[in-house]
Amino acid sequence: QVQLQESGPGLVKPSQTLSLTCTVSGGSINSGGYYWSWIRQHPGKGLEWIGYIYYSGDTYYKPSLKSRVTISVDTSKNQFSLKLTSVTAADTAVYYCARARLRSHSMIYSFDPWGQGTLVTVSS
Amino acid sequence: DIQMTQSPSSLSASVGDRVTITCRASQSISSYLNWYQQRAGKAPKLLIYAASSLQSGVPSRFSGTRSGTDFILTINSLQPEDFATYYCQQSYSTPWTFGQGTKVEIK
Repeated sequence: QVQLQESGPGLVKPSQTLSLTCTVSGGSINSGGYYWSWIRQHPGKGLEWIGYIYYSGDTYYKPSLKSRVTISVDTSKNQFSLKLTSVTAADTAVYYCARARLRSHSMIYSFDPWGQGTLVTVSS
Repeated sequence: DIQMTQSPSSLSASVGDRVTITCRASQSISSYLNWYQQRAGKAPKLLIYAASSLQSGVPSRFSGTRSGTDFILTINSLQPEDFATYYCQQSYSTPWTFGQGTKVEIK
């Protein structure tokens, strides 16, 4: 079965760039019908979808984050990555990668599976 | 953006109880609604997609229904492992958005 695993620094200084990678195992990131997503959860709060990338490189970013976010894919490594620039304390959160899967009969996308999440703290 | 509003924000229940959680969309989203369970310190897990379809491997005590822009998650005969936070999420239009969550606590 497909598994996702986030990796990257747990501490980032204010104004710097947060960089995380999600490694996909048990399946190919090249498989059609999936949008590879980043989602974050501020401490004690709800879930916020950041954006997605298709294996072809097509992306969509949440408008309020669009100016600071880049999601990229490396199909040779079966990985996709998140970069968030000019971070502040408000970007402190657990960051999850997840696969958005299309259900062909209902045409709905749902997140499954998810990575375990990685806490990124923005602090000097 | 489509706003998803869950109620209640939290509830207390006992093992064996029937629990219902409501999610209301700010506009029509047809049945493009998913439900997730998040246990403490864990990643969310998909329970139900397309408003009422049970994800493979999820116990049948979980069910979902839709009435217009209102969506209901029902847990029949609450089990100890069901104490968690539940989120709804719409994938009708981007940006995909989540409800604020409903925490189910032990009474």
